[in-house]
Amino acid sequence: DVKVTQSSRYLVKRTGEKVFLECVQDMDHENMFWYRQDPGLGLRLIYFSYDVKMKEKGDIPEGYSVSREKKERFSLILESASTNQTSMYLCAWGGQGHYGYTFGSGTRLTVV
Amino acid sequence: AQSVTQLDSQVPVFEEAPVELRCNYSSSVSVYLFWYVQYPNQGLQLLLKYLSGSTLVKGINGFEAEFNKSQTSFHLRKPSVHISDTAEYFCAVRRGDGGSQGNLIFGKGTKLSVKP
Repeated sequence: DVKVTQSSRYLVKRTGEKVFLECVQDMDHENMFWYRQDPGLGLRLIYFSYDVKMKEKGDIPEGYSVSREKKERFSLILESASTNQTSMYLCAWGGQGHYGYTFGSGTRLTVV
Repeated sequence: AQSVTQLDSQVPVFEEAPVELRCNYSSSVSVYLFWYVQYPNQGLQLLLKYLSGSTLVKGINGFEAEFNKSQTSFHLRKPSVHISDTAEYFCAVRRGDGGSQGNLIFGKGTKLSVKP
């Protein structure tokens, strides 16, 4: 089974800081996704990537960027963290022929 | 474009009672359908999926779901719930005509609370 690892379970950052959220999957496969989850809003897609150095905006990309230098690693970047980015962030992997996604355990980010 | 509606944001139920969590989707193309479960402070775990074939799909932990194309529904059921089923449940849809490409679209979730 694919394993998706997010580097931190809990993070507290200050407003204006640059924040990196890391996600690593142990299969040399293509599709990776970043979601944020907020009460009453479900999961909303921030960015996704189908290959190295490829990225596509999801539904709520504002205030975020991503980096995919290697297939197994997909990083979410908050250029200047704001309090409204306090949320649970979930990384997911969906390989070719793997019709659903495998999720990481999530990072709960608090911006103060 | 696809969309998913989970009709109940919260469902309280007593232990050993049956439960149904409702999910409706809209799509002009064929779809794949999924239910995920999220236990407190954890990521999402796949419960079951419908890709094709039999409309009744069985998943883990005694859950099942029925795909109804005419009603555009994919309701999740369990005949007898346990305290340990307390979690949030998400329905999701994906285009079925593009191979495994196409992003998952999620509903807003249903919180199942099982009381003793």
